[in-house]
Amino acid sequence: QLQLQESGPGLVKSSETLSLICTVSGGSISSSNYYWGWIRQPPGKGLGWIGNIYYSGSTSYNPSLKSRVTMSVDTSKNQFSLKLSSVTAADTAVYYCASLNYDSSGSYIDYWGQGTLVTVSS
Amino acid sequence: DIQMTQSPSSLSASVGDRVTITCRASQSISIFLNWYQQKPGQAPKLLIYAASSLQSGVPSRFSGSGSGTGFTLTISSLQPGDFATYYCQQSYSSPLTFGGGTRVEIK
Repeated sequence: QLQLQESGPGLVKSSETLSLICTVSGGSISSSNYYWGWIRQPPGKGLGWIGNIYYSGSTSYNPSLKSRVTMSVDTSKNQFSLKLSSVTAADTAVYYCASLNYDSSGSYIDYWGQGTLVTVSS
Repeated sequence: DIQMTQSPSSLSASVGDRVTITCRASQSISIFLNWYQQKPGQAPKLLIYAASSLQSGVPSRFSGSGSGTGFTLTISSLQPGDFATYYCQQSYSSPLTFGGGTRVEIK
């Protein structure tokens, strides 16, 4: 079964760029029926979809964040990454990477990373 | 964006109770609806996908139903490990969106 692990700084200064990497193990990031996504959860609040990427590099971003988000994939390292620019305190959240399984039933998030708290400081 | 509305936002129940959580979509999403369970300090866990399909390894006391705009998650007999927050999520269209969550607490 897949395992996902986020890594990156836990503290980012306001107006700078948040950068996270997700390392996938137990399977190939080049699997044809998986997309790879990022979800975030502000402290004490609900879940928010940031976007996803396919192993080919094709991306889909949440329009609310699209101007600030960049995702990329490195198939040689079985990793994908998130960059969120011009961060503010509102971007403070636990960031999860996840696998989005697509089949005839639609799509669903079947594996999640443990999550990493990113705090934006002024 | 498709808005997902869950009710109630929280509930108190006892071990052995039957619990039902409702999720409503702002437009028809067919059966493209998933349910997740999240315990404090943990990542969410997939329970139900495609409205009513039980994820492998999930106990059969969990069940899902519905289509179109109205969906329910039912726990037939609440167990101690079921006290958590539950989220619905639509996968009909991008961006994927989640409900606000339902917190199930011990009565």
